[in-house]
Amino acid sequence: DVKVTQSSRYLVKRTGEKVFLECVQDMDHENMFWYRQDPGLGLRLIYFSYDVKMKEKGDIPEGYSVSREKKERFSLILESASTNQTSMYLCASSGPGRGAFFGQGTRLTVV
Amino acid sequence: QKEVEQNSGPLSVPEGAIASLNCTYSDRGSQSFFWYRQYSGKSPELIMSIYSNGDKEDGRFTAQLNKASQYVSLLIRDSQPSDSATYLCAVTLNNAGNMLTFGGGTRLMVKP
Repeated sequence: DVKVTQSSRYLVKRTGEKVFLECVQDMDHENMFWYRQDPGLGLRLIYFSYDVKMKEKGDIPEGYSVSREKKERFSLILESASTNQTSMYLCASSGPGRGAFFGQGTRLTVV
Repeated sequence: QKEVEQNSGPLSVPEGAIASLNCTYSDRGSQSFFWYRQYSGKSPELIMSIYSNGDKEDGRFTAQLNKASQYVSLLIRDSQPSDSATYLCAVTLNNAGNMLTFGGGTRLMVKP
Protein backbone atom coordinates (compact mmCIF):
# COMPACT_ATOMS: atom_id res chain seq x y z
CA ASP A 1 0.00 0.00 0.00
CA VAL A 2 1.03 3.56 -0.69
CA LYS A 3 1.98 5.38 2.44
CA VAL A 4 2.04 9.16 2.72
CA THR A 5 3.04 10.36 6.15
CA GLN A 6 2.68 13.88 7.49
CA SER A 7 4.87 14.83 10.41
CA SER A 8 2.14 16.12 12.72
CA ARG A 9 -1.56 15.49 13.14
CA TYR A 10 -2.19 18.67 15.11
CA LEU A 11 -0.12 21.84 15.44
CA VAL A 12 -0.66 25.09 17.32
CA LYS A 13 1.58 27.99 16.37
CA ARG A 14 1.75 31.67 17.17
CA THR A 15 1.22 34.48 14.68
CA GLY A 16 4.48 35.40 13.00
CA GLU A 17 6.18 32.05 13.59
CA LYS A 18 7.86 30.18 10.76
CA VAL A 19 6.11 26.82 10.40
CA PHE A 20 7.34 23.67 8.68
CA LEU A 21 4.98 20.92 7.60
CA GLU A 22 6.73 17.76 6.45
CA CYS A 23 5.47 15.01 4.18
CA VAL A 24 7.14 11.74 3.20
CA GLN A 25 5.94 9.13 0.67
CA ASP A 26 7.29 5.63 0.19
CA MET A 27 6.15 4.82 -3.37
CA ASP A 28 8.82 6.61 -5.39
CA HIS A 29 6.15 8.92 -6.83
CA GLU A 30 7.25 11.78 -9.03
CA ASN A 31 4.41 14.11 -8.07
CA MET A 32 3.70 15.57 -4.67
CA PHE A 33 1.07 18.09 -3.64
CA TRP A 34 0.12 20.35 -0.78
CA TYR A 35 -3.55 21.26 -0.39
CA ARG A 36 -5.49 23.08 2.25
CA GLN A 37 -9.08 22.26 3.03
CA ASP A 38 -11.51 24.69 4.59
CA PRO A 39 -15.26 24.30 5.17
CA GLY A 40 -17.22 25.48 2.15
CA LEU A 41 -14.06 26.05 0.08
CA GLY A 42 -13.09 22.48 -0.70
CA LEU A 43 -9.55 21.34 -1.48
CA ARG A 44 -7.34 24.11 -2.78
CA LEU A 45 -3.91 23.45 -4.24
CA ILE A 46 -1.09 25.44 -2.67
CA TYR A 47 1.95 23.98 -4.46
CA PHE A 48 2.76 21.02 -6.64
CA SER A 49 6.11 19.37 -7.34
CA TYR A 50 6.74 17.04 -10.28
CA ASP A 51 10.42 16.29 -9.57
CA VAL A 52 13.18 17.02 -7.10
CA LYS A 53 13.77 20.75 -6.79
CA MET A 54 10.89 21.44 -9.23
CA LYS A 55 7.70 23.17 -8.15
CA GLU A 56 4.63 24.84 -9.56
CA LYS A 57 2.32 27.31 -7.86
CA GLY A 58 -1.22 26.19 -7.29
CA ASP A 59 -4.29 28.29 -6.68
CA ILE A 60 -3.26 29.88 -3.38
CA PRO A 61 0.56 30.05 -3.03
CA GLU A 62 0.69 33.42 -1.27
CA GLY A 63 2.25 33.17 2.17
CA TYR A 64 3.66 29.71 1.51
CA SER A 65 6.82 28.20 0.07
CA VAL A 66 7.90 24.62 -0.51
CA SER A 67 11.03 22.54 -0.62
CA ARG A 68 11.74 19.25 -2.33
CA GLU A 69 15.36 18.25 -1.90
CA LYS A 70 14.69 14.50 -2.03
CA LYS A 71 12.13 12.64 -4.10
CA GLU A 72 10.30 11.19 -1.11
CA ARG A 73 10.01 14.39 0.92
CA PHE A 74 7.99 17.54 0.27
CA SER A 75 7.92 20.33 2.83
CA LEU A 76 5.48 23.20 3.13
CA ILE A 77 6.73 26.34 4.82
CA LEU A 78 4.65 29.14 6.23
CA GLU A 79 7.12 32.00 6.31
CA SER A 80 5.22 34.05 8.88
CA ALA A 81 2.10 32.29 10.12
CA SER A 82 -1.13 34.26 10.22
CA THR A 83 -4.52 33.42 11.68
CA ASN A 84 -6.03 33.08 8.19
CA GLN A 85 -3.70 30.14 7.62
CA THR A 86 -5.52 28.14 10.27
CA SER A 87 -6.69 25.13 8.27
CA MET A 88 -6.38 21.43 7.50
CA TYR A 89 -3.30 20.80 5.38
CA LEU A 90 -3.18 17.72 3.22
CA CYS A 91 -0.17 16.27 1.44
CA ALA A 92 -0.55 13.85 -1.46
CA SER A 93 1.62 11.98 -3.95
CA SER A 94 0.98 10.35 -7.32
CA GLY A 95 2.61 8.61 -10.24
CA PRO A 96 2.41 10.12 -13.76
CA GLY A 97 -1.24 10.69 -14.73
CA ARG A 98 -2.49 8.63 -11.80
CA GLY A 99 -4.67 9.39 -8.82
CA ALA A 100 -3.09 10.90 -5.76
CA PHE A 101 -2.84 9.27 -2.35
CA PHE A 102 -3.22 11.47 0.69
CA GLY A 103 -1.56 11.67 4.07
CA GLN A 104 -3.59 11.81 7.26
CA GLY A 105 -3.63 15.60 7.32
CA THR A 106 -2.28 18.24 9.68
CA ARG A 107 -4.74 20.48 11.45
CA LEU A 108 -2.89 23.75 12.01
CA THR A 109 -4.17 26.40 14.36
CA VAL A 110 -2.48 29.80 14.37
CA VAL A 111 -3.20 31.88 17.46
CA GLN B 1 -16.69 29.35 -13.79
CA LYS B 2 -14.90 26.76 -11.69
CA GLU B 3 -12.76 24.25 -13.53
CA VAL B 4 -14.38 21.26 -11.83
CA GLU B 5 -17.95 21.57 -10.58
CA GLN B 6 -20.08 19.39 -8.37
CA ASN B 7 -23.43 19.89 -6.70
CA SER B 8 -22.64 20.28 -3.00
CA GLY B 9 -25.75 18.36 -1.92
CA PRO B 10 -26.63 16.84 0.40
CA LEU B 11 -27.85 14.02 -1.79
CA SER B 12 -30.09 11.79 0.27
CA VAL B 13 -30.92 8.24 -0.86
CA PRO B 14 -32.52 5.30 0.95
CA GLU B 15 -30.47 2.24 1.81
CA GLY B 16 -30.31 -0.16 -1.13
CA ALA B 17 -30.93 2.52 -3.77
CA ILE B 18 -28.55 3.73 -6.48
CA ALA B 19 -26.75 6.97 -5.68
CA SER B 20 -25.73 9.05 -8.69
CA LEU B 21 -23.04 11.67 -8.29
CA ASN B 22 -22.14 14.06 -11.07
CA CYS B 23 -19.21 16.25 -12.02
CA THR B 24 -18.51 18.59 -14.93
CA TYR B 25 -15.19 20.03 -15.99
CA SER B 26 -14.23 22.95 -18.17
CA ASP B 27 -10.96 21.87 -19.81
CA ARG B 28 -11.82 19.86 -22.91
CA GLY B 29 -8.31 18.42 -23.07
CA SER B 30 -8.43 16.85 -19.60
CA GLN B 31 -6.91 13.38 -19.54
CA SER B 32 -7.49 11.68 -16.21
CA PHE B 33 -10.50 11.59 -13.89
CA PHE B 34 -10.80 10.37 -10.34
CA TRP B 35 -13.37 9.92 -7.61
CA TYR B 36 -12.47 10.23 -3.95
CA ARG B 37 -14.47 9.46 -0.83
CA GLN B 38 -13.91 11.55 2.28
CA TYR B 39 -15.39 10.72 5.65
CA SER B 40 -15.79 13.52 8.14
CA GLY B 41 -12.45 14.32 9.79
CA LYS B 42 -10.52 12.00 7.48
CA SER B 43 -8.38 12.40 4.38
CA PRO B 44 -9.73 11.79 0.88
CA GLU B 45 -9.45 8.17 -0.29
CA LEU B 46 -9.11 7.29 -3.97
CA ILE B 47 -11.94 4.94 -5.00
CA MET B 48 -12.12 5.12 -8.82
CA SER B 49 -9.99 6.20 -11.77
CA ILE B 50 -11.20 6.51 -15.36
CA TYR B 51 -9.23 7.57 -18.40
CA SER B 52 -11.39 6.82 -21.48
CA ASN B 53 -14.99 7.31 -22.53
CA GLY B 54 -17.50 4.80 -21.24
CA ASP B 55 -18.09 2.95 -18.02
CA LYS B 56 -15.72 1.39 -15.53
CA GLU B 57 -17.06 -0.89 -12.83
CA ASP B 58 -15.47 -1.89 -9.54
CA GLY B 59 -17.73 -3.74 -7.15
CA ARG B 60 -20.71 -1.54 -6.30
CA PHE B 61 -19.09 1.50 -7.93
CA THR B 62 -19.34 2.50 -11.59
CA ALA B 63 -17.57 5.52 -13.02
CA GLN B 64 -18.87 6.97 -16.29
CA LEU B 65 -16.97 9.37 -18.53
CA ASN B 66 -18.30 11.38 -21.46
CA LYS B 67 -15.56 13.62 -22.80
CA ALA B 68 -17.77 15.17 -25.48
CA SER B 69 -20.11 16.46 -22.79
CA GLN B 70 -17.25 17.07 -20.31
CA TYR B 71 -19.05 15.03 -17.74
CA VAL B 72 -18.00 12.32 -15.31
CA SER B 73 -20.27 10.51 -12.90
CA LEU B 74 -20.13 7.94 -10.11
CA LEU B 75 -22.89 5.44 -9.49
CA ILE B 76 -23.08 3.58 -6.21
CA ARG B 77 -25.35 0.55 -6.33
CA ASP B 78 -27.03 -0.95 -3.27
CA SER B 79 -26.10 2.11 -1.21
CA GLN B 80 -25.25 1.47 2.43
CA PRO B 81 -25.24 3.85 5.40
CA SER B 82 -21.44 3.38 5.46
CA ASP B 83 -21.33 5.06 2.04
CA SER B 84 -22.42 8.32 3.69
CA ALA B 85 -19.51 10.66 3.02
CA THR B 86 -18.42 13.52 0.80
CA TYR B 87 -17.45 12.43 -2.72
CA LEU B 88 -14.84 14.50 -4.53
CA CYS B 89 -14.28 14.56 -8.26
CA ALA B 90 -10.73 15.33 -9.42
CA VAL B 91 -9.37 16.03 -12.89
CA THR B 92 -5.91 16.28 -14.37
CA LEU B 93 -6.18 19.37 -16.53
CA ASN B 94 -4.60 19.20 -19.96
CA ASN B 95 -2.59 22.36 -19.52
CA ALA B 96 -1.20 21.52 -16.12
CA GLY B 97 0.66 18.25 -16.48
CA ASN B 98 -0.06 16.03 -13.51
CA MET B 99 -1.64 18.74 -11.39
CA LEU B 100 -4.90 17.53 -9.85
CA THR B 101 -7.82 19.90 -9.52
CA PHE B 102 -10.73 19.01 -7.27
CA GLY B 103 -14.39 19.85 -7.33
CA GLY B 104 -16.05 21.07 -4.17
CA GLY B 105 -17.51 17.67 -3.37
CA THR B 106 -21.01 16.24 -2.99
CA ARG B 107 -22.20 15.14 0.42
CA LEU B 108 -24.06 11.83 0.23
CA MET B 109 -26.40 10.65 2.98
CA VAL B 110 -27.70 7.09 2.86
CA LYS B 111 -30.67 6.64 5.19
CA PRO B 112 -31.41 3.22 6.74
